[in-house]
Amino acid sequence: DAKTTQPNSMESNEEEPVHLPCNHSTISGTDYIHWYRQLPSQGPEYVIHGLTSNVNNRMASLAIAEDRKSSTLILHRATLRDAAVYYCIRISGNTGKLIFGQGTTLQVKP
Amino acid sequence: NAGVMQNPRHLVRRRGQEARLRCSPMKGHSHVYWYRQLPEEGLKFMVYLQKENIIDESGMPKERFSAEFPKEGPSILRIQQVVRGDSAAYFCASSPGARDTEAFFGQGTRLTVV
Repeated sequence: DAKTTQPNSMESNEEEPVHLPCNHSTISGTDYIHWYRQLPSQGPEYVIHGLTSNVNNRMASLAIAEDRKSSTLILHRATLRDAAVYYCIRISGNTGKLIFGQGTTLQVKP
Repeated sequence: NAGVMQNPRHLVRRRGQEARLRCSPMKGHSHVYWYRQLPEEGLKFMVYLQKENIIDESGMPKERFSAEFPKEGPSILRIQQVVRGDSAAYFCASSPGARDTEAFFGQGTRLTVV
């Protein structure tokens, strides 16, 4: 049970921002929210993670709702290389185990 | 610092043979995870290990599959008497800690059972 809900697919134009939503309405106060992506024929790649505050890194930004029931991964300028399956993952407990859902397949059009 | 190394990248086995998949975690990482991805499907957690200990094997099939992470050397995922349904990509990940750290994935081993 992935315990997160994401749209199956999204499209974006190159050079435009992309907002990938994720619902995690049953999240508990100590669960972390992680985002990973998987490019075709490759292993998953870490994107970003957070607990309560919004987070930024060189790849993306993570906006977490005040009630923590949802979050949004923001790619500021999509490139063709960003076409991938994006996974929003809730991590509970202390194991760091990732439970992958179906993710969102992002298509980037030139 | 080399990333997570998995070998072989591709492995072909006949039905009934054994498959041994190796994973060398990143230097300094003591947490290792194995995942399986069937064709056109998502990633499924299999097992979580720390050095010499299996912490969580809730995703491992009860028979034919085993995993270890010895004190020295790589982590090994072993599949005995392989069947066609075992054909999949097997990914290993390592991390230095638990839920508030990122995991690094290898490129995977693609197992084909003929």
